[in-house]
Amino acid sequence: KQEVTQIPAALSVPEGENLVLNCSFTDSAIYNLQWFRQDPGKGLTSLLLIQSSQREQTSGRLNASLDKSSGRSTLYIAASQPGDSATYLCAADYGQNFVFGPGTRLSVLP
Amino acid sequence: DVKVTQSSRYLVKRTGEKVFLECVQDMDHENMFWYRQDPGLGLRLIYFSYDVKMKEKGDIPEGYSVSREKKERFSLILESASTNQTSMYLCASSLYLQGRDNEQYFGPGTRLTVT
Repeated sequence: KQEVTQIPAALSVPEGENLVLNCSFTDSAIYNLQWFRQDPGKGLTSLLLIQSSQREQTSGRLNASLDKSSGRSTLYIAASQPGDSATYLCAADYGQNFVFGPGTRLSVLP
Repeated sequence: DVKVTQSSRYLVKRTGEKVFLECVQDMDHENMFWYRQDPGLGLRLIYFSYDVKMKEKGDIPEGYSVSREKKERFSLILESASTNQTSMYLCASSLYLQGRDNEQYFGPGTRLTVT
């Protein structure tokens, strides 16, 4: 069964810290790995998409890496800000099926 | 920018009612998806469509049906709403399946309460 897990489930850090969110997937036959942000009561906002042939993608203070053979992706957030507080989800794209992780709830304290 | 819109942000319906949730995307995407999101269960795929009039069941299709008569519009139908269908419903679209740029874009969600 294709499953995606995320560690930690929740994280609280002081403003300015660099942090890493982890995503693991059981089936490495992915096409893409996508990271999302979700604010409470809202939809998902796409942050980064890494194609299976890529190792990493960067957007501003965000950097996502992908190790397909080991079934892992990480999202690195540099110099965190209170506005980064949200739930972060990863999703593995298996073609006709996207499998989502449960998310990491991030709180950045001023 | 891709825009995915959903017809309602909040909806309250009674048990047994027929409920329509509408989703529209403006980027000529091939694929459209309906998910529900529940605490502790994450996002679960209900149905998806890869072309007009085409549909595929997701993980939890029971109690739901869908309609895609036009490329930009994908409707989720609850034939007879029940309290266990109280949830956040999220619509998404993407350019094409099994593609290199199959990025999913989500709408703002509809919070449905069935009483």
